[in-house]
Amino acid sequence: QKEVEQNSGPLSVPEGAIASLNCTYSDRGSQSFFWYRQYSGKSPELIMSIYSNGDKEDGRFTAQLNKASQYVSLLIRDSQPSDSATYLCAVKGDTGFQKLVFGTGTRLLVSP
Amino acid sequence: GAGVSQSPRYKVAKRGQDVALRCDPISGHVSLFWYQQALGQGPEFLTYFQNEAQLDKSGLPSDRFFAERPEGSVSTLKIQRTQQEDSAVYLCASSRQGFNQPQHFGDGTRLSIL
Repeated sequence: QKEVEQNSGPLSVPEGAIASLNCTYSDRGSQSFFWYRQYSGKSPELIMSIYSNGDKEDGRFTAQLNKASQYVSLLIRDSQPSDSATYLCAVKGDTGFQKLVFGTGTRLLVSP
Repeated sequence: GAGVSQSPRYKVAKRGQDVALRCDPISGHVSLFWYQQALGQGPEFLTYFQNEAQLDKSGLPSDRFFAERPEGSVSTLKIQRTQQEDSAVYLCASSRQGFNQPQHFGDGTRLSIL
């Protein structure tokens, strides 16, 4: 079992719809959770971070964390074609470890 | 140009050659990370520096991989006697000091071993 799991997709949604991206993790000691967006051939770009249970909203993006279920999700409202990219879920473990553990990413396609 | 800078952007080497990849972190960022990203995969951790100290090198795949950050700023990842399986994108990230500080990535070096 991989430490961080994501559905590789592609997830196809029409323009204006809500895209829902999901991620599960295996380490119950995980403390910090991040969503990165990566366009083809480009570097990962941080779009959201979340550290406590519940929802965190930033513009069209909402991150949701449920530590009991070891589940983190990203909602993108009013999806735009420019949102088409791979979305990487990254998890940081106990305080002594600084490294991020990434999932394989979910490819999102937003059609006009 | 306030982001993480990596060079070269592309590197082609013959199997068995040594290569050196450079990372210039965001000014003031204490922490520096190297990741390896294979095609279609998420980045995988290689090593971590806090200032000049290499605090975690658990992700380095073999003793052919070596990283340094002698003055606590620029870092170099060196791969000796390259193999075809070393072909990947090598990403550098930096962050401020503190556990919850987000990591910011450079554009990476795409390494191809022939």
